[in-house]
Amino acid sequence: KAGVTQTPRYLIKTRGQQVTLSCSPISGHRSVSWYQQTPGQGLQFLFEYFSETQRNKGNFPGRFSGRQFSNSRSEMNVSTLELGDSALYLCASNRSPPPDTQYFGPGTRLTVL
Amino acid sequence: AQTVTQSQPEMSVQEAETVTLSCTYDTSESNYYLFWYKQPPSRQMILVIRQEAYKQQNATENRFSVNFQKAAKSFSLKISDSQLGDTAMYFCVIQGGSEKLVFGKGTKLTVNP
Repeated sequence: KAGVTQTPRYLIKTRGQQVTLSCSPISGHRSVSWYQQTPGQGLQFLFEYFSETQRNKGNFPGRFSGRQFSNSRSEMNVSTLELGDSALYLCASNRSPPPDTQYFGPGTRLTVL
Repeated sequence: AQTVTQSQPEMSVQEAETVTLSCTYDTSESNYYLFWYKQPPSRQMILVIRQEAYKQQNATENRFSVNFQKAAKSFSLKISDSQLGDTAMYFCVIQGGSEKLVFGKGTKLTVNP
């Protein structure tokens, strides 16, 4: 069974631009979560979707948004990029609502110049 | 709120030896899961082992085992017969009820030849 996939793997943007990251969960998994990883803040939860509904949201500004489609694929969008948004963005999927084991994708490395 | 504390920022071990990584946590949830994930230099987050809080028996996965002390809120990871491929950042993680994953700061483990 294929794992969680994320596209693109690497991205370079400039301040003020917007970006969209994509995540395809493991087949049969209906829950997708997003995390931001930075050296200073570690791993922080962004949001979680289950069956196209946002169930949980982390403490991030409204510039960060996401959605989930009927095939469970998910996208996250960051508008008006800031230098501090440079990070590794990880997507994870699980079959059922929490608590349940989450399986992670390889991440998207976003660099904001 | 749930918290996870990993008191060892860095550890090293010789190949074939045994090493134990420490973790303490706090939660008010009665139903929760604990995990150890590892993140090698490739940055892929990989599940190492999972423990359901309602299970008294400690989880084991090949060379990896945990010492789960529920009353003390302690969850340590033991790696036996350490291999060079075990070199990674190890994260202790808690997930309670319908909540998000909460990660510790991580322990950087280096296995030396």
